[in-house]
Amino acid sequence: DAKTTQPTSMDCAEGRAANLPCNHSTISGNEYVYWYRQIHSQGPQYIIHGLKNNETNEMASLIITEDRKSSTLILPHATLRDTAVYYCIAALYKLIFGAGTRLAVHP
Amino acid sequence: GAGVSQSPSNKVTEKGKDVELRCDPISGHTALYWYRQSLGQGLEFLIYFQGNSAPDKSGLPSDRFSAERTGGSVSTLTIQRTQQEDSAVYLCASSLARSAEQYFGPGTRLTVT
Repeated sequence: DAKTTQPTSMDCAEGRAANLPCNHSTISGNEYVYWYRQIHSQGPQYIIHGLKNNETNEMASLIITEDRKSSTLILPHATLRDTAVYYCIAALYKLIFGAGTRLAVHP
Repeated sequence: GAGVSQSPSNKVTEKGKDVELRCDPISGHTALYWYRQSLGQGLEFLIYFQGNSAPDKSGLPSDRFSAERTGGSVSTLTIQRTQQEDSAVYLCASSLARSAEQYFGPGTRLTVT
């Protein structure tokens, strides 16, 4: 599984878009880019995933560069409840979690 | 609908005892995964079951750990002769198929004294 690199922490104002970057330069052709988040003391929550194309669902949008070496998770209108650790994972099926990005949404 | 459930939610055991942790996946999900999260550590993959295929056991930390999935549904993770370093939250997840999104249960917090 490819290693990913994410910022340790980020801040975002409530109501603004949160853009979380991720580098996965060693991703292989059949590996997906997954995003999960974990709110304190809860199990990880699936957000979105994609292979090549950009994806959007009710929670977020995922932008994957054409060379697939990096991606950005976009939370369009961040709320206080989006404060969590966000994990970007490049994998076929077994998720290898790194340290993630600790996103703090403030009023 | 019902999500992934795990039992017990908390387990305290003495060093050297065996423990069994149970996972009930979402109905119809063919893939089942076990992970663990130690205090201050990241989530660590343990084992993966897919249908009738041989499980991927590559993440099991030692031969004291084993897991089975009976009838393609419920799974049990067994830890023999528990050690203090086994203390962690053990998480189960299931998905409709390999590479599909995984849904996690609430976890079992294991404390070895």
